Amino acid sequence: LAKTTQPISMDSYEGQEVNITCSHNNIATNDYITWYQQFPSQGPRFIIQGYKTKVTNEVASLFIPADRKSSTLSLPRVSLSDTAVYYCLVGRDDKIIFGKGTRLHILP
Amino acid sequence: EPEVTQTPSHQVTQMGQEVILRCVPISNHLYFYWYRQILGQKVEFLVSFYNNEISEKSEIFDDQFSVERPDGSNFTLKIRSTKLEDSAMYFCASSGGPSVYGYTFGSGTRLTVV
Repeated sequence: LAKTTQPISMDSYEGQEVNITCSHNNIATNDYITWYQQFPSQGPRFIIQGYKTKVTNEVASLFIPADRKSSTLSLPRVSLSDTAVYYCLVGRDDKIIFGKGTRLHILP
Repeated sequence: EPEVTQTPSHQVTQMGQEVILRCVPISNHLYFYWYRQILGQKVEFLVSFYNNEISEKSEIFDDQFSVERPDGSNFTLKIRSTKLEDSAMYFCASSGGPSVYGYTFGSGTRLTVV
């Protein structure tokens, strides 16, 4: 799996849009970009996956520039319940290797 | 929404004892995994399992560990002769295909070795 770099932590306020950027300079042609979310004392949960441009689902949007060397997870109008660790994963292998993720803390 | 079920949610065991952590993957999934997360640290891959055999394991998954799918529905992780450093959350996951997309994780078993 390609190495990824993302901020260790972020703070935001309820109602704001939060953007978490992940760098993956060594992404391979066939690699997908996948984001997982982990709440305290729970297992990780798949949020969104994309290959290029933009993907949107009911939870988040994923923006991927043309060079695919980075990606941005966008969470619209966050609430306190969005406080979690967010993991950016790049690859297409048959196992997930988690990094340290971004610890997002939503403030009231 | 289909779930991966893990039991027990919390287990306390004495050092040197054997423990079995149980998981019921999603019924039509074919790929199964165990991960662990030591308190405050990242989620670590232990082992992947497909077609009734281990397909890959990490350096953490030494002879102390074993996995089994005894009856077609359960997927177990056995830890022999537990050590203090085995204390962690253990997560089971399953997926329908060999891809990072579509992993479903259970809520975990918190193992405390005393």
